[in-house]
Amino acid sequence: EAGVAQSPRYKIIEKRQSVAFWCNPISGHATLYWYQQILGQGPKLLIQFQNNGVVDDSQLPKDRFSAERLKGVDSTLKIQPAKLEDSAVYLCASSFRTGGNQPQHFGDGTRLSIL
Amino acid sequence: AQSVAQPEDQVNVAEGNPLTVKCTYSVSGNPYLFWYVQYPNRGLQFLLKYITGDNLVKGSYGFEAEFNKSQTSFHLKKPSALVSDSALYFCAVRDKTGANNLFFGTGTRLTVIP
Repeated sequence: EAGVAQSPRYKIIEKRQSVAFWCNPISGHATLYWYQQILGQGPKLLIQFQNNGVVDDSQLPKDRFSAERLKGVDSTLKIQPAKLEDSAVYLCASSFRTGGNQPQHFGDGTRLSIL
Repeated sequence: AQSVAQPEDQVNVAEGNPLTVKCTYSVSGNPYLFWYVQYPNRGLQFLLKYITGDNLVKGSYGFEAEFNKSQTSFHLKKPSALVSDSALYFCAVRDKTGANNLFFGTGTRLTVIP
């Protein structure tokens, strides 16, 4: 089974620029997550989708971050404008459904560096 | 509120020796508990989970974890460490009755010395 695909793997931008990340989950997985992993920390959930609806976006900085999953499959995460503190690895994960015992399967992430 | 503590930033162990990576948790209800491993420049890989039942859970690559409700711990163990086990290990918790969010610890870097 193909895993979670993310692109790009690396991105370098200057502060105040915009950037977008793309994620394609495992086929058939209804639930999709975006995490932010700052160096030396564990992943922090930004947003969770169930199909194309948002389940939880309480930790998403909505003044600059946005995400969508229009057709319930692929998802994009955007940052506009970027700040220095946004430097991190952005991980996408998916699970078969929303449920406490469902393991999440992660992509390799996009490493974002803000200059 | 849910939280996870991994008290050791770094664990070193000699190849062939048993290893333990510690994790304690705090949730308001009964927990689902997970261990993930992260290799350099890769995403997290699922190792094992505790849902209910037997306190000793077996997972991938020979790893196992012991759930201890009274000590609110879920330590990761392996009887004989391999150099290839060197990686970053994350413990995560989810409250069965609350939010679906996974809360991750800050990670423990395991180094297996040849």
